[in-house]
Amino acid sequence: RKEVEQDPGPFNVPEGATVAFNCTYSNSASQSFFWYRQDCRKEPKLLMSVYSSGNEDGRFTAQLNRASQYISLLIRDSKLSDSATYLCVGDSGGYNKLIFGAGTRLAVHP
Amino acid sequence: EPEVTQTPSHQVTQMGQEVILRCVPISNHLYFYWYRQILGQKVEFLVSFYNNEISEKSEIFDDQFSVERPDGSNFTLKIRSTKLEDSAMYFCASSMGLVNYGYTFGSGTRLTVV
Repeated sequence: RKEVEQDPGPFNVPEGATVAFNCTYSNSASQSFFWYRQDCRKEPKLLMSVYSSGNEDGRFTAQLNRASQYISLLIRDSKLSDSATYLCVGDSGGYNKLIFGAGTRLAVHP
Repeated sequence: EPEVTQTPSHQVTQMGQEVILRCVPISNHLYFYWYRQILGQKVEFLVSFYNNEISEKSEIFDDQFSVERPDGSNFTLKIRSTKLEDSAMYFCASSMGLVNYGYTFGSGTRLTVV
């Protein structure tokens, strides 16, 4: 079973659309979760941390449901510049590493 | 904004040769990592390093791999005898604290083994 699982997409959406990505994790001991963004052939960049209470950063909202072991990312008012791969990331249950999902690809078109 | 620096950006090497990938983590960070990403695949953990020793390593990180922090700023990954399947993007990352801080990644070294 994959430790962090995501729908690979691609999600093709028009500018201005709202899009939601989901992710599940298998390790119930995982405590810290993040969404990273990765552009083609570039490094992952931290988009936001994910908290149980939910957190918002501008057009982005992240949510964690520990009971269901489920993480989500909502992007409102999509921009062309949002086109990228979004990586769901959780810790391994210990302190020493983060585990990456395979990513969900988003393509925003005019 | 502080950044993690990696050199070279691209390295081509012959199978069987040794390569050293270099990283300069953010100066006040204490935890250092190497990850790799084979083209089209996910980002995979290789090794974590803290207090001048390896704290965890993956199954990928076999005897062909080693890491070193030779001075107060550099963090290196050495592959002793490269194989074709070592071709990948190698990312260095650093973190101020434990995983709850998230990591800052360098821009990567693309290793091509021919």
